[in-house]
Amino acid sequence: SSELTQDPAVSVALGQTVRITCQGDSLRSYYASWYQQKPGQAPVLVIYGKNNRPSGIPDRFSGSSSGNTASLTITGAQAEDEADYYCNSRDSSGNHLRVFGGGTKLTVL
Amino acid sequence: QVQLQQWGAGLLKPSETLSLTCAVYGGSFSGYYWSWIRQPPGKGLEWIGEINHSGSTNYNPSLKSRVTISVDTSKNQFSLKLSSVTAADTAVYYCARGVVVVAATPYYYYYYMDVWGKGTTVTVSS
Repeated sequence: SSELTQDPAVSVALGQTVRITCQGDSLRSYYASWYQQKPGQAPVLVIYGKNNRPSGIPDRFSGSSSGNTASLTITGAQAEDEADYYCNSRDSSGNHLRVFGGGTKLTVL
Repeated sequence: QVQLQQWGAGLLKPSETLSLTCAVYGGSFSGYYWSWIRQPPGKGLEWIGEINHSGSTNYNPSLKSRVTISVDTSKNQFSLKLSSVTAADTAVYYCARGVVVVAATPYYYYYYMDVWGKGTTVTVSS
């Protein structure tokens, strides 16, 4: 079982805004990072830290955090954003262990 | 631009040892955590463990008894060994570069994996 909990599936209409959430005790102390994975491809980092985007990631992707919940928001979702999204953080034990959320399948309608 | 190239045996029999290697090209090896992650067919990502340039390791407790991650700094490579494999170890295995950012005042900590290998499909079957 994962220490980070994500909704298995979320859908959004083309051009609308969608929020994907990740819950876990460790998120009270540590920021999450977010990864996008399309079928047959390796994951790609889209958000890290408080709200940082790697070079090449569109600014429609943003991150936020409150209490035990981290969120990835896509403002104006595009068809190419349809993918699986995973959060990742340090585990709640305080050891240097990493944990992934179970993943959220995003469908763009 | 940093690239990770990974390789290893793709077909194993039960009880054999999985062995994969990941080479780092185009960047520094020190100052990072070098991770292995796997993804069973149709399932999510699972962190296996990590190593830094000095050889300090952290492992997923659920796999710790069977996992060894090692580093060869002379070649900018790190490796994964997983012993006594079963069909449950069938997965795509990825290597990745991990970055830790820590600040004291105000305190914050975050970790992210910014460079990934393409993945190696490992099948365990008799």
